[in-house]
Amino acid sequence: QSALTQPASVSGSPGQSITISCTGTSSDVGSYNLVSWYQQHPGKAPKLMIYEVSKRPSGVSNRFSGSKSGNTASLTISGLQAEDEADYYCCSYAGSRVFGGGTKLTVL
Amino acid sequence: QVQLVQSGAEVKKPGASVKVSCKVSGYTLTELSMHWVRQAPGKGLEWMGGFDPEDGETIYAQKFQGRVTMTEDTSTDTAYMELSSLRSEDTAVYYCATEAFDYWGQGTLVTVSS
Repeated sequence: QSALTQPASVSGSPGQSITISCTGTSSDVGSYNLVSWYQQHPGKAPKLMIYEVSKRPSGVSNRFSGSKSGNTASLTISGLQAEDEADYYCCSYAGSRVFGGGTKLTVL
Repeated sequence: QVQLVQSGAEVKKPGASVKVSCKVSGYTLTELSMHWVRQAPGKGLEWMGGFDPEDGETIYAQKFQGRVTMTEDTSTDTAYMELSSLRSEDTAVYYCATEAFDYWGQGTLVTVSS
């Protein structure tokens, strides 16, 4: 199973919105509403931000939202804040799991 | 609240094996399905395998099949991941995580060096 495709980096200014894409195939992202997103700060374990494409765990800011169209899932962060600067990973999880390559978000 | 506490850092020689533990608290291991994910230095997350409750079996990523074994000791609520025939490319932080990847251990650095 090949890794999902994410942009290597995105950036935005405080207060702006950014979107990170995650492209898979009809066998993974396109087949199931089982896509999750993780935030990882340097030296820390990943943190679940979105599951089942668009659901937020308790405690995650509503500035984070997820969606999917066809074989591509997306994570949108609105009202960018300095603490959002981190690496973000998508994951398709239907039986076996596959991660995206990760996207480094820089808050300018 | 689930807590996952992993064993400490390891240094191994090429060809050796390593066994990383993940102690569960807050829940019993039988209530969870544990998975393992690794991250090489400066690289992304890589799923290694985990327990599939629908099939009742542990499934492994194709890349690691034959080299990785994931086991559980329900008497101590501890999950284990053993990786054999280590090579330098296996140098990474190894994480345990619950099935939904909503809880993660703190990570265990495994360094493979001669």
